[in-house]
Amino acid sequence: DGGITQSPKYLFRKEGQNVTLSCEQNLNHDAMYWYRQDPGQGLRLIYYSQIVNDFQKGDIAEGYSVSREKKESFPLTVTSAQKNPTAFYLCASSPRGRETQYFGPGTRLLVL
Amino acid sequence: AQKVTQAQTEISVVEKEDVTLDCVYETRDTTYYLFWYKQPPSGELVFLIRRNSFDEQNEISGRYSWNFQKSTSSFNFTITASQVVDSAVYFCALSEVNTGGFKTIFGAGTRLFVKA
Repeated sequence: DGGITQSPKYLFRKEGQNVTLSCEQNLNHDAMYWYRQDPGQGLRLIYYSQIVNDFQKGDIAEGYSVSREKKESFPLTVTSAQKNPTAFYLCASSPRGRETQYFGPGTRLLVL
Repeated sequence: AQKVTQAQTEISVVEKEDVTLDCVYETRDTTYYLFWYKQPPSGELVFLIRRNSFDEQNEISGRYSWNFQKSTSSFNFTITASQVVDSAVYFCALSEVNTGGFKTIFGAGTRLFVKA
């Protein structure tokens, strides 16, 4: 089945540790996105990529990094510079030139 | 500036009641897209509908209907004869074209509780 997968479902981070969240899609979509959702709030854009080897910062990119080496994959690293990383992280993708985004199941990141 | 407001934080209804979720947006663009997504307790956002700014026709899909009014910058969502399975958080979103593609912003969401 075509879709977007995110792993792990839950992730625990220790102080000062970098962690990487995985996002893979087999929809042949060109664009991919990372959002952060805090309790009771909407989604905020962290990074997005319209094409392989290119990505742009969203509204809250500080403390995060991404790569886009393959069309199917858009991993997000939460660095130690992100002081408040506890949140629900959602990955999305869309076809090139199309505005509708489709979402993965999300990863919940907790700090120990 | 681009903005989406969902003034209703939580709504609670009894099964079989009709419920309307409000969405008001702000944009300077003449071409834009509006969306509704459903987020069930599992967390994944499920796409429900997309409307472009040139199409003000209301739409009905089963128990769901959407009322788009440019004059009031609103895109409201009505669930008829609500069911317990409709319990979720519903997000309204606005997408505009920018140099990097489409930029989408989301409202804060409305949590709907449907009681049996």
